[in-house]
Amino acid sequence: AQKVTQAQTEISVVEKEDVTLDCVYETRDTTYYLFWYKQPPSGELVFLIRRNSFDEQNEISGRYSWNFQKSTSSFNFTITASQVVDSAVYFCALSEGYSGTYKYIFGTGTRLKVLA
Amino acid sequence: EPEVTQTPSHQVTQMGQEVILRCVPISNHLYFYWYRQILGQKVEFLVSFYNNEISEKSEIFDDQFSVERPDGSNFTLKIRSTKLEDSAMYFCASRGVTGEKLYEQYFGPGTRLTVT
Repeated sequence: AQKVTQAQTEISVVEKEDVTLDCVYETRDTTYYLFWYKQPPSGELVFLIRRNSFDEQNEISGRYSWNFQKSTSSFNFTITASQVVDSAVYFCALSEGYSGTYKYIFGTGTRLKVLA
Repeated sequence: EPEVTQTPSHQVTQMGQEVILRCVPISNHLYFYWYRQILGQKVEFLVSFYNNEISEKSEIFDDQFSVERPDGSNFTLKIRSTKLEDSAMYFCASRGVTGEKLYEQYFGPGTRLTVT
């Protein structure tokens, strides 16, 4: 069955610390996509990254980086030198084609608090 | 850049009333979705819609809910008789139908529904 687990409910760090948000997924499909979204207090879902199951290269975008490891079914997200503006809830999500609708399955989210 | 829009941004209604949440998907998209997020919880799939019919629905999507594409641009979610537990943020999403676009959903900003 498809499932996304974000074991960290809430993380607090002091500004400028690095922080890693964990995401573990389960899928029966060989082709799938993984996503990270940021949800600020205003409530909208802000797209951060999309990664397909065939591309295991790590990605870096500014202070953000993602580590995708199929061997451990993980897609972790690291923020380097965190800032107060990074405070939000972060969701990992999975989309697979098995059901034919490519719906997204979201994890329960990790609330990140960056303290000044 | 094209975007999904949703109206209203916030709806307050009394228990037992009918509500219609509106979405305008991206114009060349053919697959549409509704998701729900109860405050403090994860984003959950409700229903997917393609070719004027429901392609998949979750257990949450019971007889109280219905979806419709009344014209060429709008996609609506109707809740027939609202309950307190329907209070949530409702997100609309749309996607294309070929290649990588199968996995690439665009989310609207959400409608926050409050049932009193």
